[in-house]
Amino acid sequence: GNSVTQMEGPVTLSEEAFLTINCTYTATGYPSLFWYVQYPGEGLQLLLKATKADDKGSNKGFEATYRKETTSFHLEKGSVQVSDSAVYFCALRAGAGKSTFGDGTTLTVKP
Amino acid sequence: EPEVTQTPSHQVTQMGQEVILRCVPISNHLYFYWYRQILGQKVEFLVSFYNNEISEKSEIFDDQFSVERPDGSNFTLKIRSTKLEDSAMYFCASSEPSGRTYEQFFGPGTRLTVL
Repeated sequence: GNSVTQMEGPVTLSEEAFLTINCTYTATGYPSLFWYVQYPGEGLQLLLKATKADDKGSNKGFEATYRKETTSFHLEKGSVQVSDSAVYFCALRAGAGKSTFGDGTTLTVKP
Repeated sequence: EPEVTQTPSHQVTQMGQEVILRCVPISNHLYFYWYRQILGQKVEFLVSFYNNEISEKSEIFDDQFSVERPDGSNFTLKIRSTKLEDSAMYFCASSEPSGRTYEQFFGPGTRLTVL
């Protein structure tokens, strides 16, 4: 079956540091890949997505590139802010079926 | 912008009681889903629903759970006899086929607390 593996957290960074959260996946076929963000006490917000190999999703300074050869979709941001503190989930979805989520990575950014 | 809504935002119930969680998907969407997230854990798939029937369900979705689309707008999740371990955040989602994207739109969640 499909699966998503995220780097273990939590991650603590200083403001303006570079962020990478690793995500690799196992899937049959050609899934779409997503990053969701969950702020404390809130629901899931779609951060960015990519639907085919070599696509780059980007939003709010975050980026991730769909790498079929390495089955990866790592999340990056050049300069994090305190307001980026949240839990980040990598997910995949094949067609109209269910989404499969990673375990989530908690990011804390300190001023 | 259209959005998925869920009610109530927080439900507290006694063990053994029945609860119904309600969702209003985006109006032109065709696929509906329920997920749950136990506090501090990953988001887990429960069930998907299309064309008025369950299209897929996980092992979590046992006989205590049921889903229904009673009218053209609501999508409900019923837990017949709640257990302590049912305490979680429950997310509804909907989607429509759109090329290959099949993006899911998630509601804000209902926090269920079973005492």
